Amino acid sequence: KAGVTQTPRYLIKTRGQQVTLSCSPISGHRSVSWYQQTPGQGLQFLFEYFSETQRNKGNFPGRFSGRQFSNSRSEMNVSTLELGDSALYLCASSLEIGTEKQYFGPGTRLLVL
Amino acid sequence: AQSVTQLGSHVSVSEGALVLLRCNYSSSVPPYLFWYVQYPNQGLQLLLKYTSAATLVKGINGFEAEFKKSETSFHLTKPSAHMSDAAEYFCAVSYNQGGKLIFGQGTELSVKP
Repeated sequence: KAGVTQTPRYLIKTRGQQVTLSCSPISGHRSVSWYQQTPGQGLQFLFEYFSETQRNKGNFPGRFSGRQFSNSRSEMNVSTLELGDSALYLCASSLEIGTEKQYFGPGTRLLVL
Repeated sequence: AQSVTQLGSHVSVSEGALVLLRCNYSSSVPPYLFWYVQYPNQGLQLLLKYTSAATLVKGINGFEAEFKKSETSFHLTKPSAHMSDAAEYFCAVSYNQGGKLIFGQGTELSVKP
């Protein structure tokens, strides 16, 4: 069974632009969560989606948004990019919402110049 | 606020030596506990998960962790380190808030020949 896939793997943007990252969960998994990883702040929870609905949200500004489609694929969008948004963005999928094991993708590394 | 503390941002051991990575959580309510490993340029891989069924949890690659409620700890151990164990290790907790994981800052494990 294929693992969690994330596209693109690497991305370079400039301040003020917006970006959309994509995540395809493991087949059959219905919950998708997003995390931001930076050297300074470590791993921080962004949001979680289940059945096309946002079920949980971390402490990030409204510039960070996401959605989930009927096939469980998820996208996250960051508008008006700032230098501090440079990070590794990780997507994780699990069978159901809750404390199920989460399986992580390889991440999308975003560099904002 | 709920938090996870990993003592030691960097641990170095010799090949064949005991590996001990420390994790403490801050809560009077026992959370769900996880250990993840991250190899360079990769996502996170689940090593083990505490399910409350047993205080000693065995994971993949010979790792295990013991939940000690009185010490609010969930330390990760491996009897004999291999060179391939060199990676960054993250302790994480969930307080049944959906799939939201709270991560520690990580411990980078180096293994010397």
